[in-house]
Amino acid sequence: GENVEQHPSTLSVQEGDSAVIKCTYSDSASNYFPWYKQELGKRPQLIIDIRSNVGEKKDQRIAVTLNKTAKHFSLHITETQPEDSAVYFCAARGRYKLSFGAGTTVTVRA
Amino acid sequence: DSGVTQTPKHLITATGQRVTLRCSPRSGDLSVYWYQQSLDQGLQFLIQYYNGEERAKGNILERFSAQQFPDLHSELNLSSLELGDSALYFCASSVTTGPEKLFFGSGTQLSVL
Repeated sequence: GENVEQHPSTLSVQEGDSAVIKCTYSDSASNYFPWYKQELGKRPQLIIDIRSNVGEKKDQRIAVTLNKTAKHFSLHITETQPEDSAVYFCAARGRYKLSFGAGTTVTVRA
Repeated sequence: DSGVTQTPKHLITATGQRVTLRCSPRSGDLSVYWYQQSLDQGLQFLIQYYNGEERAKGNILERFSAQQFPDLHSELNLSSLELGDSALYFCASSVTTGPEKLFFGSGTQLSVL
């Protein structure tokens, strides 16, 4: 948790291509890493999460990888569709709080 | 629908005023979290309550306070409002004591004029 950096801040992809968002965290004690999707004017929604004892997790077109040694984790979206357009937030859990990255605005071009 | 209810959806007030935001967590969730979302600050953690007790504090100003009631709903009180307090305030809940699998409400958009 604590300081979470997220890159890129904006990402434009062609429909059908893949999108990758990367995050780094500073607290080596962090053990839980969720990703949230926020559509325009809507609430953040949990789309996938991973714990520190797992290196990779996949759910249909979404996958998350975690490198604890390097303290970074990534979200991969394959075969992007227009409905994937949204702001994506990574987060890392510290002892008492969930710290969020600044967000990545993903635009899928038809 | 996440099951987390926030009221009101919109609030317009003037500087110096005081407002109260309300949140009802999902049925069975004991933890309530408050977050502030602004364009330049992202999602900032304010405070967490677990079963009526304050559990964690983030970047919450002294002008702000919160509480969780016996029925587990929570209120966030913002006083001496300033223009910079204009933001979207989210409440989230979880069944765990710690911040995992948070479900967010639809937020209260606060505009301070």
